[in-house]
Order: sequence, then structure tokens, then C-alpha cells
Amino acid sequence: AQTVTQSQPEMSVQEAETVTLSCTYDTSESNYYLFWYKQPPSRQMILVIRQEAYKQQNATENRFSVNFQKAAKSFSLKISDSQLGDTAMYFCAFMKDNDMRFGAGTRLTVKP
Amino acid sequence: DAGITQSPRHKVTETGTPVTLRCHQTENHRYMYWYRQDPGHGLRLIHYSYGVKDTDKGEVSDGYSVSRSKTEDFLLTLESATSSQTSVYFCAISATGYQETQYFGPGTRLLVL
Repeated sequence: AQTVTQSQPEMSVQEAETVTLSCTYDTSESNYYLFWYKQPPSRQMILVIRQEAYKQQNATENRFSVNFQKAAKSFSLKISDSQLGDTAMYFCAFMKDNDMRFGAGTRLTVKP
Repeated sequence: DAGITQSPRHKVTETGTPVTLRCHQTENHRYMYWYRQDPGHGLRLIHYSYGVKDTDKGEVSDGYSVSRSKTEDFLLTLESATSSQTSVYFCAISATGYQETQYFGPGTRLLVL
């Protein structure tokens, strides 16, 4: 079974600075999808960004971008110009067919 | 935001009692999922449905059953609740399954005493 590892349980960053959250995964599959979800204190799970494994180009969504290294099985999330509203738990997820596996999460705090 | 509601949002029950959680969607999506969220584990898939009356097991299905009699509703039942089933339960939907983005409901916090 696929496993997803987020090695940073907690991180903090100053407002307006850049932070990178790490994620690695283990799979023997070649075609799959990767996601970052954000969970603010409201507990709602919000999609941040998605990456198709067959695409070499890294996905970007406004201030959020990923560094996808398929050979290294690494999928990090970079948040630029951090805002107070970015404070949340961030979950990395791997999906193949209908099997989605989540990491344990990274708690990010943006400090004013 | 995807039209997904979960009921109840909070529930306290006693060990051994049956519990049913409901997920309702207004998006007419084919696929629906139930996850549980526990500290240190992220979210784990319990069961999912790929159509009316079509369901399959996920990673942590023991002690849970599901039913889907209508496209819009997906029920999760704990036949005899145990303290280990204290968790936050999330429903998710996707339009076509397979590699499609899943959108999540607001969650149900369940406490089993």
C-alpha cells in the first residue's frame, strides 16, 4: 500500500515570508495524482493544489506552488508571501484510482 | 464550494449503541467517500461508493457499514459503537472517481463514551 510521510509536524513562518512544507511518498505506481489540502481551525478540508504524476511541469495556484520530484518521490509545497489566513494544518495526499492516502499533516503557524 | 452537508455535526453516544451518520450532496456526483480523521494519522478511507447500491471497502472498514439508496445520500453506520471509533468523520465526493479531485464536507465529531 502507498504511504505518505510528512516529516515536519509543526512549522512557523513570519508574515510575508516564504515557507516550504515537505512530503514524500512510497509507491510502485507510475500514474497517480498528488494533492495538498489545507485544514484551518474550522476543520473544513480545502484543496490547495493538485499535481498529475504524468506532468513534468510543477503545478502553481497563485501564491502556492509545488516542487514535484517523481524519481525522488517528493512533493513539497511552497507558500510565498505568507498570510495570517494561511495558518492551518496542511495534508499531503496520494491518490491512485479511488485509494487516497494522506500524510499525518504539518501544522503551519503564520506569525504577524 | 461543493454542496455537501453532514448530519449530525456533533454526537455523543455510549459504547454498544448503533450510530448512523449521513452525508448529503447536491452536486449529483457519482462517487462518495467516508473518512475518519485521528491525530497522527491524517485521514483514512473507511468505505466509498461508486453508484447507487455500489460500495467498496477502504483502509479501515472493520466495524463500519455503509448504504447508498439514492445518488445524493451516503450513510455510514456503526453497528455497535466502540471508544476506538471516537473520531472526526468526513464525507467527500467526486464527479467521476479515478484520479478526480475529492471535495469534502464539514465533518462530524463523534464521541463514544
